[in-house]
Amino acid sequence: NAGVTQTPKFQVLKTGQSMTLQCAQDMNHEYMSWYRQDPGMGLRLIHYSVGAGITDQGEVPNGYNVSRSTTEDFPLRLLSAAPSQTSVYFCASSRGLGSGNTIYFGEGSWLTVV
Amino acid sequence: AQRVTQPEKLLSVFKGAPVELKCNYSYSGSPELFWYVQYSRQRLQLLLRHISRESIKGFTADLNKGETSFHLKKPFAQEEDSAMYYCALTEAAGNKLTFGGGTRVLVKP
Repeated sequence: NAGVTQTPKFQVLKTGQSMTLQCAQDMNHEYMSWYRQDPGMGLRLIHYSVGAGITDQGEVPNGYNVSRSTTEDFPLRLLSAAPSQTSVYFCASSRGLGSGNTIYFGEGSWLTVV
Repeated sequence: AQRVTQPEKLLSVFKGAPVELKCNYSYSGSPELFWYVQYSRQRLQLLLRHISRESIKGFTADLNKGETSFHLKKPFAQEEDSAMYYCALTEAAGNKLTFGGGTRVLVKP
């Protein structure tokens, strides 16, 4: 049981380049989300999805796109990378939020934009 | 808007001493509160949630709606408790989990 799998684990981009962070879960979870983790700011929600075909913006969505064509996958796209997007990115999934639902996190993707 | 504040960025205690991590929140509805922990080189994982009223690894947390707080406590800290701790909030049956800025706990031998 792999849980939540993120790739790549490390990536260096040049300003203006685009890339996709992959996230897959094998628990048949409806809810998936992307967070970025920055020192002193905790984890901030970028985008989330409550099911295939449904996505919504979180707290810091600018510069990122997502799609949810399948239950398993929730890729995060950076269209034109900026140094401010240097961060650690975490994908998470759960059956839902609220009582009784545990959120499972991926191992993180370290992104540096130079 | 929901907001979670963890006023301490770093807590350094000696092994066997009590440790308390503060968490305050602002939310007008009925929140659900959680504590997450991230050990070195490991992924973030749930430590406990207020609705379960449980003790995990010796940690407890009580939701105080009057003071809008959800402080995490352990009477006798252990070296393996050294980690990053995040307080988080969601509205009941909501879709967004809001995290605090995190508190790094260092337990010295």
